[in-house]
Amino acid sequence: DAGITQSPRHKVTETGTPVTLRCHQTENHRYMYWYRQDPGHGLRLIHYSYGVKDTDKGEVSDGYSVSRSKTEDFLLTLESATSSQTSVYFCAISESPRAGGETQYFGPGTRLLVL
Amino acid sequence: GNSVTQMEGPVTLSEEAFLTINCTYTATGYPSLFWYVQYPGEGLQLLLKATKADDKGSNKGFEATYRKETTSFHLEKGSVQVSDSAVYFCALSGNTDKLIFGTGTRLQVFP
Repeated sequence: DAGITQSPRHKVTETGTPVTLRCHQTENHRYMYWYRQDPGHGLRLIHYSYGVKDTDKGEVSDGYSVSRSKTEDFLLTLESATSSQTSVYFCAISESPRAGGETQYFGPGTRLLVL
Repeated sequence: GNSVTQMEGPVTLSEEAFLTINCTYTATGYPSLFWYVQYPGEGLQLLLKATKADDKGSNKGFEATYRKETTSFHLEKGSVQVSDSAVYFCALSGNTDKLIFGTGTRLQVFP
């Protein structure tokens, strides 16, 4: 299994509070991704990173920001959590998607409940 | 743009039954195709992949063949087990940094 951890694994928070989720990898992969998974929507890409300090938006980026100051860590921040951000969040990594390394490897997920 | 369509679930089968989960895609060029599996409470795991037309990916008794003429990548297994109960996602990788996922198909296998 790819070395990917997510923390925390579970979190309950209140509307309006900031929340940061962490993804940590030990594979030295260049690309990292944040998804959310909701019933009826499958997986939706929030943001991704293609290198240290290099990030781009996905299809559902509103209300989320990310940072990547080291290869191994990718942080997802909800600046002011809302109930619509209650979801399961997955981190994924890959090598070089445009050079044959497009397979993504997923972390175990973080369950976030916003009350 | 690129997209993936997979059959609605849940698919409910008895143990040892034959499984097919349909997946079709729309893409420009020659995408790679994937099946991922998600067991309850876990993240997605790569089940199999195929990178060019007519390739067959296989793993754990599951198979899928990359059919360019029908733009399909159907997942099959000859004899399912209760332990195969999970959600299965079809995905494609075009010439971008991202994977495009289908919405997932839940498989329930009963003894």
